[in-house]
Amino acid sequence: KQEVTQIPAALSVPEGENLVLNCSFTDSAIYNLQWFRQDPGKGLTSLLLIQSSQREQTSGRLNASLDKSSGRSTLYIAASQPGDSATYLCAVTTDSWGKLQFGAGTQVVVTP
Amino acid sequence: SAVISQKPSRDICQRGTSLTIQCQVDSQVTMMFWYRQQPGQSLTLIATANQGSEATYESGFVIDKFPISRPNLTFSTLTVSNMSPEDSSIYLCSVDRGLSGNTIYFGEGSWLTVV
Repeated sequence: KQEVTQIPAALSVPEGENLVLNCSFTDSAIYNLQWFRQDPGKGLTSLLLIQSSQREQTSGRLNASLDKSSGRSTLYIAASQPGDSATYLCAVTTDSWGKLQFGAGTQVVVTP
Repeated sequence: SAVISQKPSRDICQRGTSLTIQCQVDSQVTMMFWYRQQPGQSLTLIATANQGSEATYESGFVIDKFPISRPNLTFSTLTVSNMSPEDSSIYLCSVDRGLSGNTIYFGEGSWLTVV
């Protein structure tokens, strides 16, 4: 059974520092991995999608890497801003039908 | 991206009643998914809804408690039946547009509090 773990559970950094969020999964037979952002009481916003054949994806200040063989993904957020404060979730799919298995999330606070 | 509208966005419900949550998508999609997020927890998949067939439920979720309809390719409903305080959660609808990359999109969620 696939298990997705995110470390750390919470993270607080001063504005301007880089953020490093980790995600690990137990079964390397994934179809893709997706990073989401969730603001309190809100739905999820997709940040980055990495296909199983890819090593990384970038969007602006965000970069996500994937090492499928070791079951790990890392989300880097450069030059953090207070607006980056949110919970970040990673999720994997094991088929093309979009059923997601989520980690518990990392709650990020960026202080001014 | 996909625009997904969920109703209600928030509600307070009496114990023992049922509530139906609607999910409307701005374009046709094959698969729609319903998730539950209990307070302080991550998301758990309730069921997958495919148009024209019965929903497929995950372990721990049953049709009598969470009946789902999928009458067409842009709409689905989830009913939470005979609610108890343990059902207080955010319920989220998501879709896979089936486009290259298979990015999954989520609605804003329906935040239910059972009293």
